[in-house]
Amino acid sequence: EDQVTQSPEALRLQEGESSSLNCSYTVSGLRGLFWYRQDPGKGPEFLFTLYSAGEEKEKERLKATLTKKESFLHITAPKPEDSATYLCAVRRRNTPLVFGKGTRLSVIA
Amino acid sequence: DAEITQSPRHKITETGRQVTLACHQTWNHNNMFWYRQDLGHGLRLIHYSYGVHDTNKGEVSDGYSVSRSNTEDLPLTLESAASSQTSVYFCASSESLSGELFFGEGSRLTVL
Repeated sequence: EDQVTQSPEALRLQEGESSSLNCSYTVSGLRGLFWYRQDPGKGPEFLFTLYSAGEEKEKERLKATLTKKESFLHITAPKPEDSATYLCAVRRRNTPLVFGKGTRLSVIA
Repeated sequence: DAEITQSPRHKITETGRQVTLACHQTWNHNNMFWYRQDLGHGLRLIHYSYGVHDTNKGEVSDGYSVSRSNTEDLPLTLESAASSQTSVYFCASSESLSGELFFGEGSRLTVL
């Protein structure tokens, strides 16, 4: 059974304090690892897809990396507007996404 | 702009009533999905469809049904609502089987 575990459950940072969110997964035949951002009362918003170990993608202050067992979402010099829940999801071949429980990030000015 | 819309956004109903949540997308995507989101569980898959007249059960399908009569719509029906079905429901669609999902804004359902 596919499993996705995100840590920590919640993270509180000062503005400018860089950190990383972790997503560890157990899935045979990974066909993509996805990161989403979710704001309160909204649907998840797509950020990145990673397909193979060693791959990295960046968007503004966010950088996602992938190994064979886990992915990291690095947040560099975060701002209060980066506060959100970050969701990780995995997909095997031609199957729907399986999501982790998310990490709730708060960035304090 | 193409979009995905859910209705109603908020609904309160009573135990035993039938409830239908609507999902409509204008991207012409073949793939559509229903998830529920609860504290401590994250997003869990209820049902999904890869095209017209195709429906499949997800992880938590008991008590729910879907039908796909056209490309744009995938309504979710709770045949006899239960308090355990109080949740936030998200509809999503994707262009390809390997592509990212695009989510609606969610429907918050309370079953009393």
